Amino acid sequence: DTGVSQDPRHKITKRGQNVTFRCDPISEHNRLYWYRQTLGQGPEFLTYFQNEAQLEKSRLLSDRFSAERPKGSFSTLEIQRTEQGDSAMYLCASSLGGYGANVLTFGAGSRLTVL
Amino acid sequence: KQEVTQIPAALSVPEGENLVLNCSFTDSAIYNLQWFRQDPGKGLTSLLLIQSSQREQTSGRLNASLDKSSGRSTLYIAASQPGDSATYLCAVRPGSARQLTFGSGTQLTVLP
Repeated sequence: DTGVSQDPRHKITKRGQNVTFRCDPISEHNRLYWYRQTLGQGPEFLTYFQNEAQLEKSRLLSDRFSAERPKGSFSTLEIQRTEQGDSAMYLCASSLGGYGANVLTFGAGSRLTVL
Repeated sequence: KQEVTQIPAALSVPEGENLVLNCSFTDSAIYNLQWFRQDPGKGLTSLLLIQSSQREQTSGRLNASLDKSSGRSTLYIAASQPGDSATYLCAVRPGSARQLTFGSGTQLTVLP
């Protein structure tokens, strides 16, 4: 296992277009998280899955954002009708559940630029 | 609402110096605190995780401490090297939620 994989690494799109990012977590990790990071800031939480269930969503996740994790494996984050303010690095992380765990392993991120 | 602050925002030191990075948080009801390293344009690498019941954790040249009552954590780096240059982020996990709340990070430059 090579860790958390994200695809694509970079995406440039025009305002109004839809984009989709994919995250493949570490295979035995049942928890998956999406974060967004803008330049000079720390990551901000977007949403969290335990297996295939989406258990938490941030208020940052507007109606234009949707995330899925079918079958509790990989996850996708779709942004519809992109706006310039969506330009950011989208980070995926995974972890094992259980007491004492929760060390998050992050992927390299998918950088979105909306023109 | 939990807020995490890291001071300074940037730090430049000569190689070989010992240094301390600071992190403060407003709500002491945390489950754990984690320190990460981020290289430019890359994802985050976990360095150390301190459970709420612990006072410190060590890994190699790194030592992280936690004082829940005062809402503070420090990351101590011994004998700094140019390869330590990166942004260091601290993050707290509230006791009632799964997600982490991050600080804005300290950008460290170690000069050869």
